[in-house]
Amino acid sequence: AQTVTQSQPEMSVQEAETVTLSCTYDTSESDYYLFWYKQPPSRQMILVIRQEAYKQQNATENRFSVNFQKAAKSFSLKISDSQLGDAAMYFCAYRGSGGSNYKLTFGKGTLLTVNP
Amino acid sequence: DGGITQSPKYLFRKEGQNVTLSCEQNLNHDAMYWYRQDPGQGLRLIYYSQIVNDFQKGDIAEGYSVSREKKESFPLTVTSAQKNPTAFYLCASSILLAGAGTDTQYFGPGTRLTVL
Repeated sequence: AQTVTQSQPEMSVQEAETVTLSCTYDTSESDYYLFWYKQPPSRQMILVIRQEAYKQQNATENRFSVNFQKAAKSFSLKISDSQLGDAAMYFCAYRGSGGSNYKLTFGKGTLLTVNP
Repeated sequence: DGGITQSPKYLFRKEGQNVTLSCEQNLNHDAMYWYRQDPGQGLRLIYYSQIVNDFQKGDIAEGYSVSREKKESFPLTVTSAQKNPTAFYLCASSILLAGAGTDTQYFGPGTRLTVL
Protein backbone atom coordinates (compact mmCIF):
# COMPACT_ATOMS: atom_id res chain seq x y z
CA ALA A 1 0.00 0.00 0.00
CA GLN A 2 1.09 3.51 -0.67
CA THR A 3 2.14 5.70 2.23
CA VAL A 4 2.85 9.41 2.44
CA THR A 5 5.10 10.85 5.13
CA GLN A 6 5.40 14.47 6.17
CA SER A 7 8.21 14.59 8.69
CA GLN A 8 7.67 18.18 9.84
CA PRO A 9 4.55 18.52 12.01
CA GLU A 10 5.11 22.29 12.28
CA MET A 11 7.15 24.90 10.45
CA SER A 12 7.42 28.66 10.73
CA VAL A 13 8.65 31.33 8.36
CA GLN A 14 9.05 35.08 8.40
CA GLU A 15 6.89 37.06 6.05
CA ALA A 16 8.60 37.53 2.64
CA GLU A 17 11.00 34.66 3.31
CA THR A 18 11.10 31.23 1.66
CA VAL A 19 10.13 27.95 3.29
CA THR A 20 10.27 24.35 2.12
CA LEU A 21 7.91 21.63 3.30
CA SER A 22 9.01 18.01 2.97
CA CYS A 23 7.11 14.99 1.73
CA THR A 24 8.21 11.46 0.98
CA TYR A 25 6.10 8.61 -0.31
CA ASP A 26 6.34 4.93 -0.86
CA THR A 27 4.98 3.23 -3.96
CA SER A 28 5.74 0.43 -6.38
CA GLU A 29 3.93 2.18 -9.24
CA SER A 30 5.81 4.00 -11.97
CA ASP A 31 2.96 6.29 -13.01
CA TYR A 32 1.17 8.39 -10.41
CA TYR A 33 0.24 11.91 -9.35
CA LEU A 34 1.31 14.00 -6.40
CA PHE A 35 -0.50 16.95 -4.89
CA TRP A 36 -0.10 19.61 -2.25
CA TYR A 37 -3.31 20.82 -0.64
CA LYS A 38 -3.65 23.74 1.73
CA GLN A 39 -6.15 23.76 4.60
CA PRO A 40 -6.54 27.22 6.17
CA PRO A 41 -8.44 27.80 9.43
CA SER A 42 -11.71 27.68 7.46
CA ARG A 43 -10.81 23.98 6.93
CA GLN A 44 -11.61 23.98 3.23
CA MET A 45 -9.04 21.92 1.31
CA ILE A 46 -7.55 23.98 -1.49
CA LEU A 47 -5.39 22.55 -4.25
CA VAL A 48 -2.00 24.27 -4.33
CA ILE A 49 -0.08 22.33 -6.94
CA ARG A 50 -0.07 19.05 -8.84
CA GLN A 51 2.73 16.98 -10.35
CA GLU A 52 2.51 14.10 -12.81
CA ALA A 53 5.22 11.52 -12.18
CA TYR A 54 5.99 11.07 -15.87
CA LYS A 55 6.91 14.74 -16.18
CA GLN A 56 10.51 15.54 -15.30
CA GLN A 57 9.86 19.25 -15.07
CA ASN A 58 8.90 20.49 -11.62
CA ALA A 59 5.47 22.07 -11.37
CA THR A 60 5.17 25.76 -10.52
CA GLU A 61 2.18 27.91 -9.58
CA ASN A 62 3.16 31.51 -8.94
CA ARG A 63 5.01 31.56 -5.59
CA PHE A 64 4.63 27.81 -5.11
CA SER A 65 6.98 25.29 -6.66
CA VAL A 66 7.91 21.69 -6.07
CA ASN A 67 11.12 19.72 -6.08
CA PHE A 68 10.12 16.30 -7.40
CA GLN A 69 12.79 13.63 -7.03
CA LYS A 70 11.26 10.44 -8.43
CA ALA A 71 14.13 8.12 -7.62
CA ALA A 72 14.24 9.35 -4.04
CA LYS A 73 10.41 9.38 -3.82
CA SER A 74 10.51 12.92 -2.54
CA PHE A 75 8.10 15.76 -3.27
CA SER A 76 8.85 18.98 -1.39
CA LEU A 77 6.92 22.23 -1.63
CA LYS A 78 8.71 25.57 -1.74
CA ILE A 79 6.82 28.73 -0.89
CA SER A 80 8.60 31.90 -1.94
CA ASP A 81 7.90 35.41 -0.63
CA SER A 82 5.71 33.98 2.13
CA GLN A 83 2.55 35.91 2.95
CA LEU A 84 0.38 35.95 6.05
CA GLY A 85 -2.36 34.27 4.03
CA ASP A 86 -0.10 31.27 3.46
CA ALA A 87 -0.52 30.24 7.09
CA ALA A 88 -2.34 26.93 7.02
CA MET A 89 -2.02 23.17 7.33
CA TYR A 90 -0.40 21.73 4.22
CA PHE A 91 -1.07 18.18 3.12
CA CYS A 92 0.89 16.14 0.63
CA ALA A 93 -1.18 13.55 -1.24
CA TYR A 94 -0.57 10.69 -3.63
CA ARG A 95 -2.84 9.22 -6.26
CA GLY A 96 -1.90 6.15 -8.22
CA SER A 97 -2.84 5.18 -11.73
CA GLY A 98 -4.73 2.16 -12.97
CA GLY A 99 -6.84 0.41 -10.39
CA SER A 100 -5.90 2.72 -7.52
CA ASN A 101 -6.45 5.98 -9.34
CA TYR A 102 -9.62 6.89 -7.49
CA LYS A 103 -8.06 7.33 -4.09
CA LEU A 104 -5.95 10.05 -2.57
CA THR A 105 -3.55 8.96 0.16
CA PHE A 106 -2.69 11.84 2.46
CA GLY A 107 0.19 12.60 4.79
CA LYS A 108 -0.58 13.85 8.28
CA GLY A 109 0.14 17.45 7.39
CA THR A 110 2.52 20.26 8.25
CA LEU A 111 1.22 23.30 10.11
CA LEU A 112 2.83 26.42 8.66
CA THR A 113 2.97 29.62 10.69
CA VAL A 114 3.89 32.89 9.00
CA ASN A 115 5.35 35.52 11.31
CA PRO A 116 4.94 39.21 10.47
CA ASP B 1 -20.96 29.97 -9.18
CA GLY B 2 -19.62 26.47 -9.74
CA GLY B 3 -18.60 24.51 -6.74
CA ILE B 4 -19.25 21.92 -4.09
CA THR B 5 -21.58 22.64 -1.21
CA GLN B 6 -21.90 20.70 2.02
CA SER B 7 -24.57 21.09 4.63
CA PRO B 8 -24.91 21.59 7.45
CA LYS B 9 -21.64 23.20 8.49
CA TYR B 10 -22.04 21.92 12.06
CA LEU B 11 -24.08 18.90 13.11
CA PHE B 12 -24.74 17.48 16.52
CA ARG B 13 -25.98 13.95 17.05
CA LYS B 14 -27.08 11.99 20.03
CA GLU B 15 -25.69 8.52 20.45
CA GLY B 16 -27.79 5.93 18.65
CA GLN B 17 -29.06 8.32 16.00
CA ASN B 18 -28.43 8.18 12.30
CA VAL B 19 -27.56 11.46 10.59
CA THR B 20 -27.17 12.38 6.93
CA LEU B 21 -24.60 14.82 5.58
CA SER B 22 -25.37 16.52 2.30
CA CYS B 23 -22.96 17.03 -0.59
CA GLU B 24 -23.97 18.71 -3.85
CA GLN B 25 -21.83 19.77 -6.80
CA ASN B 26 -22.64 21.74 -9.94
CA LEU B 27 -19.30 21.15 -11.64
CA ASN B 28 -20.68 18.33 -13.79
CA HIS B 29 -18.11 16.02 -12.23
CA ASP B 30 -18.64 12.30 -12.61
CA ALA B 31 -16.87 11.08 -9.49
CA MET B 32 -17.61 12.01 -5.89
CA TYR B 33 -15.89 11.07 -2.64
CA TRP B 34 -16.33 11.23 1.12
CA TYR B 35 -13.35 11.66 3.43
CA ARG B 36 -13.05 11.78 7.19
CA GLN B 37 -10.50 13.96 8.99
CA ASP B 38 -9.51 13.49 12.63
CA PRO B 39 -7.26 15.83 14.63
CA GLY B 40 -3.62 15.44 13.70
CA GLN B 41 -4.48 13.15 10.82
CA GLY B 42 -4.71 13.38 7.09
CA LEU B 43 -7.90 12.51 5.29
CA ARG B 44 -9.16 8.94 5.01
CA LEU B 45 -11.51 7.75 2.29
CA ILE B 46 -14.94 6.50 3.38
CA TYR B 47 -16.78 5.91 0.10
CA TYR B 48 -16.51 6.95 -3.50
CA SER B 49 -18.72 6.87 -6.58
CA GLN B 50 -17.71 7.16 -10.21
CA ILE B 51 -21.18 6.99 -11.78
CA VAL B 52 -24.80 7.30 -10.76
CA ASN B 53 -26.22 4.32 -8.87
CA ASP B 54 -22.78 2.87 -8.24
CA PHE B 55 -20.39 3.36 -5.32
CA GLN B 56 -17.51 1.54 -3.63
CA LYS B 57 -16.19 1.31 -0.11
CA GLY B 58 -13.05 3.14 0.82
CA ASP B 59 -10.69 2.40 3.69
CA ILE B 60 -13.07 3.13 6.57
CA ALA B 61 -16.60 2.39 5.32
CA GLU B 62 -17.86 0.55 8.40
CA GLY B 63 -20.74 2.40 10.04
CA TYR B 64 -21.38 4.62 7.01
CA SER B 65 -23.69 4.39 4.02
CA VAL B 66 -24.11 6.42 0.83
CA SER B 67 -26.35 6.75 -2.18
CA ARG B 68 -25.83 8.22 -5.64
CA GLU B 69 -29.23 8.72 -7.23
CA LYS B 70 -28.23 11.88 -9.06
CA LYS B 71 -24.94 12.94 -10.58
CA GLU B 72 -24.93 16.13 -8.54
CA SER B 73 -25.59 14.60 -5.14
CA PHE B 74 -23.74 12.13 -2.90
CA PRO B 75 -25.20 12.11 0.63
CA LEU B 76 -23.43 10.32 3.46
CA THR B 77 -25.31 8.69 6.34
CA VAL B 78 -23.46 8.15 9.58
CA THR B 79 -25.22 5.28 11.28
CA SER B 80 -25.40 4.30 14.92
CA ALA B 81 -22.99 1.48 14.07
CA GLN B 82 -20.16 3.99 13.64
CA LYS B 83 -18.41 3.78 17.01
CA ASN B 84 -16.55 7.06 16.92
CA PRO B 85 -18.29 9.42 14.50
CA THR B 86 -17.08 12.76 15.88
CA ALA B 87 -14.89 14.15 13.09
CA PHE B 88 -14.70 16.60 10.22
CA TYR B 89 -16.20 15.24 7.00
CA LEU B 90 -15.13 16.43 3.57
CA CYS B 91 -16.78 15.74 0.25
CA ALA B 92 -14.84 15.95 -3.01
CA SER B 93 -15.50 15.53 -6.71
CA SER B 94 -13.51 15.06 -9.90
CA ILE B 95 -14.00 14.38 -13.57
CA LEU B 96 -13.33 11.01 -15.15
CA LEU B 97 -10.63 11.02 -17.78
CA ALA B 98 -11.16 8.71 -20.75
CA GLY B 99 -8.69 5.87 -20.36
CA ALA B 100 -6.78 7.64 -17.62
CA GLY B 101 -8.83 7.33 -14.47
CA THR B 102 -9.92 10.33 -12.47
CA ASP B 103 -8.64 13.87 -12.49
CA THR B 104 -7.79 16.21 -9.63
CA GLN B 105 -10.18 16.13 -6.70
CA TYR B 106 -11.76 19.37 -5.51
CA PHE B 107 -13.21 19.68 -2.03
CA GLY B 108 -16.27 21.16 -0.40
CA PRO B 109 -16.12 23.26 2.80
CA GLY B 110 -16.79 20.31 5.12
CA THR B 111 -19.19 19.36 7.91
CA ARG B 112 -18.17 19.14 11.53
CA LEU B 113 -20.08 16.28 13.25
CA THR B 114 -20.14 16.05 17.02
CA VAL B 115 -21.72 13.22 18.97
CA LEU B 116 -23.15 14.32 22.30
